[in-house]
Amino acid sequence: DARVTQTPRHKVTEMGQEVTMRCQPILGHNTVFWYRQTMMQGLELLAYFRNRAPLDDSGMPKDRFSAEMPDATLATLKIQPSEPRDSAVYFCASGLAREDGYTFGSGTRLTVV
Amino acid sequence: SQKIEQNSEALNIQEGKTATLTCNYTNYSPAYLQWYRQDPGRGPVFLLLIRENEKEKRKERLKVTFDTTLKQSLFHITASQPADSATYLCALSSGTYKYIFGTGTRLKVLA
Repeated sequence: DARVTQTPRHKVTEMGQEVTMRCQPILGHNTVFWYRQTMMQGLELLAYFRNRAPLDDSGMPKDRFSAEMPDATLATLKIQPSEPRDSAVYFCASGLAREDGYTFGSGTRLTVV
Repeated sequence: SQKIEQNSEALNIQEGKTATLTCNYTNYSPAYLQWYRQDPGRGPVFLLLIRENEKEKRKERLKVTFDTTLKQSLFHITASQPADSATYLCALSSGTYKYIFGTGTRLKVLA
């Protein structure tokens, strides 16, 4: 089965450090999403791309978060500087059409201490 | 503001019974509604999509209904099994690629 690959699976970092999370979407999928999941807020959409172009990043704190797709096989989410409130599971998902389901990766569990 | 509500309390049912989960929304006009399953430590897995002009969609033991007047979707699992135990999430889109998720309902099927 095709899958979305996220690295790292777990990350523990100190407050103020830069964190980079990576995602390899399914080959051929042209829509890529970044979600964040916490117990309190559930799944929140941070940003998404269509054909590598950013379509919406309104869910992302712009002062510290950035999302990019340097090529069709790689999406990155960067936090600089990280804060304890950024502790969450970050999911990447990819898909082809709005009428189809999206495939999620296994997530990156981020802990900022 | 837009709101998607799923029952935050866990739903416990006996094996073999039909589980019914609810997704209610306010201040929203979804064109598409999806249901996902999420197991602990894993990402959500897509189950079904229903469009605003569809009343019902089925897939094996799963059935989804969509009532735009009541602003509600119901998700049914018939002949439930312990392996169906998971958190179920609904997600809505107004027609763009952007889906907003509910907080999910935990289902536990008791053997």
